[in-house]
Amino acid sequence: GAGVSQSPRYKVAKRGQDVALRCDPISGHVSLFWYQQALGQGPEFLTYFQNEAQLDKSGLPSDRFFAERPEGSVSTLKIQRTQQEDSAVYLCASSLSWTSTREQFFGPGTRLTVL
Amino acid sequence: DAKTTQPPSMDCAEGRAANLPCNHSTISGNEYVYWYRQIHSQGPQYIIHGLKNNETNEMASLIITEDRKSSTLILPHATLRDTAVYYCIVRGIQGAQKLVFGQGTRLTINP
Repeated sequence: GAGVSQSPRYKVAKRGQDVALRCDPISGHVSLFWYQQALGQGPEFLTYFQNEAQLDKSGLPSDRFFAERPEGSVSTLKIQRTQQEDSAVYLCASSLSWTSTREQFFGPGTRLTVL
Repeated sequence: DAKTTQPPSMDCAEGRAANLPCNHSTISGNEYVYWYRQIHSQGPQYIIHGLKNNETNEMASLIITEDRKSSTLILPHATLRDTAVYYCIVRGIQGAQKLVFGQGTRLTINP
């Protein structure tokens, strides 16, 4: 079956624009995660969903970042009034269940460049 | 979650075993050791995980010391496609299940 998909793969935004990044997790996966990866760094956690419930948003860097998963499948990460420091690769991952030992499956990421 | 320490880079010849070390001296009894790798321009890929016993799968072997303060990921016959950044992550059973990535080890397989 298909893995985690993300769209768009590349996004260029002018500073101040709003962007929306989409994640399609593996079908049936309960848990969904968003990570941010700056150039040359490891991914950093942003937020976590279990089905449609956002259980942890402690990693969101500011109130300009908003994530949703209204029907417990597809998720959207929205960044309002983008800034240059938002330039990064945004990774989505899904996991079959809430059981912590389950591995996370990552998508290819969306590379956001803010000019 | 416990912190991990890995060498920033390593080289290995193609066909040889690649042994990647990781220190996690503050690991607690209910924390697992996970390994992921990230090939250039791709998302991280799960490799293997373990609690205290050694583990083996089709990709790699994981050796955890008896005191659980360190571990080694072994790629038995490295190929050029194994060139990637390898992340050692310690994660507990409870909590948000997020992965806390460090800097990882950049492994280069040389022909």
